[in-house]
Amino acid sequence: AQTVTQSQPEMSVQEAETVTLSCTYDTSENNYYLFWYKQPPSRQMILVIRQEAYKQQNATENRFSVNFQKAAKSFSLKISDSQLGDTAMYFCATDGSSNTGKLIFGQGTTLQVKP
Amino acid sequence: EAQVTQNPRYLITVTGKKLTVTCSQNMNHEYMSWYRQDPGLGLRQIYYSMNVEVTDKGDVPEGYKVSRKEKRNFPLILESPSPNQTSLYFCASSFAGRNNEQFFGPGTRLTVL
Repeated sequence: AQTVTQSQPEMSVQEAETVTLSCTYDTSENNYYLFWYKQPPSRQMILVIRQEAYKQQNATENRFSVNFQKAAKSFSLKISDSQLGDTAMYFCATDGSSNTGKLIFGQGTTLQVKP
Repeated sequence: EAQVTQNPRYLITVTGKKLTVTCSQNMNHEYMSWYRQDPGLGLRQIYYSMNVEVTDKGDVPEGYKVSRKEKRNFPLILESPSPNQTSLYFCASSFAGRNNEQFFGPGTRLTVL
């Protein structure tokens, strides 16, 4: 079974500093996508960044970047220059092996950005 | 505006009283899913649909039903809700079944007393 693990239930960072959220996953697939979703207090699920497993280059989106280590099955999210609006729960996810549109999510990490 | 809508956003009900949560998308997506979100468990797929009249169970389907009579709509039905179905529910849609961004609705907070 495919699994995603986020081992940090809660984290905090000072405004303008950098923080890294950890994620590990387990899959037997060779071709898959990895995602980070942000869930602010509004509860809306917002896609932050995604990574194609067959691409070695780490994905970046403005202040957000990932460190993708395929052999280690690790997919961490780095947030640079943290802003108060980054306060949210962050979920790591991967798509399933079957063609169902399913995403397999981690448990989530609550990030608090402090002024 | 491309979006997934859900109604209601909040619902408090009692055990055994049938309810339906509606979901609609305007992006002509083939795939639609329902997830429930519980603390410490992340989001788990309840049911999915690959197209009109094609639905199947996800990881936690017990106590739920779905239907897909039109491409844009994918309602979630709880025929006899129980307190363990108290949760936050999300509908999602995507163009393809794999390697494709999913678009989520705003969520429905359900409390079953």
